[in-house]
Amino acid sequence: KQEVTQIPAALSVPEGENLVLNCSFTDSAIYNLQWFRQDPGKGLTSLLLIQSSQREQTSGRLNASLDKSSGRSTLYIAASQPGDSATYLCAARLDTAGKSTFGDGTTLTVKP
Amino acid sequence: EAEVAQSPRYKITEKSQAVAFWCDPISGHATLYWYRQILGQGPELLVQFQDESVVDDSQLPKDRFSAERLKGVDSTLKIQPAELGDSAMYLCASSLRQGLVAFFGQGTRLTVV
Repeated sequence: KQEVTQIPAALSVPEGENLVLNCSFTDSAIYNLQWFRQDPGKGLTSLLLIQSSQREQTSGRLNASLDKSSGRSTLYIAASQPGDSATYLCAARLDTAGKSTFGDGTTLTVKP
Repeated sequence: EAEVAQSPRYKITEKSQAVAFWCDPISGHATLYWYRQILGQGPELLVQFQDESVVDDSQLPKDRFSAERLKGVDSTLKIQPAELGDSAMYLCASSLRQGLVAFFGQGTRLTVV
């Protein structure tokens, strides 16, 4: 059974700082890995999707990397802003059937 | 912009009562998911539909939960009877087909008192 872990559970940084969020998964035979953002009381917004054949994906100030051999993915946020404050979740999908296993998320607070 | 619609946004119900949630996926999306998210945790898949057929309901507590997608479009998730431990956010998501990016709705926040 795939298990996904996100450490730390919470992170607080000053505005402008670069930061890295971590995601670990136990089964390296993943189909893809996806990073989401969730604002309090809201649904999930997809940020980046990395297929198993890819090493990284970039969107604006966000960069996600995937290392299947070590069972790890990282989400790099450059020049953080208060508007980046949210919970960030990663989800690993094992196969094309579509079932994803989520981590419990990292709650990020960017202080002005 | 197309989005997944869910209703109601919030629901408060007494334990032992029945409650139902509705989801309308993005038009043309064949795959529909229902997730439950307990506060402070990641979402957990309850049921996955491919068109009107259930693909995975291994985590659905079938003694009290039921889900249907009769015409392969919108879907209803029902809980009867509700228990205090069912308090959570219920999220619906859809994708064009299995394996593609899933888009999430805003969720239904259920509180059982």
